Amino acid sequence: GNSVTQMEGPVTLSEEAFLTINCTYTATGYPSLFWYVQYPGEGLQLLLKATKADDKGSNKGFEATYRKETTSFHLEKGSVQVSDSAVYFCALKGGSYIPTFGRGTSLIVHP
Amino acid sequence: EAGVVQSPRYKIIEKKQPVAFWCNPISGHNTLYWYRQNLGQGPELLIRYENEEAVDDSQLPKDRFSAERLKGVDSTLKIQPAELGDSAVYLCASSTRTGVESYEQYFGPGTRLTVT
Repeated sequence: GNSVTQMEGPVTLSEEAFLTINCTYTATGYPSLFWYVQYPGEGLQLLLKATKADDKGSNKGFEATYRKETTSFHLEKGSVQVSDSAVYFCALKGGSYIPTFGRGTSLIVHP
Repeated sequence: EAGVVQSPRYKIIEKKQPVAFWCNPISGHNTLYWYRQNLGQGPELLIRYENEEAVDDSQLPKDRFSAERLKGVDSTLKIQPAELGDSAVYLCASSTRTGVESYEQYFGPGTRLTVT
């Protein structure tokens, strides 16, 4: 079956540091890949997505590239802000309409 | 445009008691999902509705959980009786089947259930 593996958190950074959150997946076929963000007390929000190999999703300064050869979709941001503190979920959607989520990675950004 | 609305936001009950959660999806969204999110985990699908029909409920513990979406709009998820292991955040999401955002899910804020 499909699965998503994320790096364990929390990831703790200072403001303006470079962020990488690793995500690898296992799936049959050609899934779509997603990053969701969950701010404290809120539901999940779609951050970015990529639907085919080598696509780059980007939003709010975050980027992730769909790497089929390494089955990865790592999230990056060049300069994080305190307001980026949240939990980030990597997810994939295969042939069905139901996404499979990773366990989430907590990001804490200090001023 | 209003997002997905859920109530209550928090609920504390004793084990063996019943509990119900309510969800109102985004207007026009045909598909509605209920997820359970345990602490430190990603969401896991419980049930998916297309209009008023439950089309994927294989992960719903049917001995104690039930759900309905009678008019194809808002939905209720019920647990009776609740167990300690049901403590989690219950998330509702909705999506449309058409347009560039087809099947992109919009999540509500969730209901945090604590069973004591």
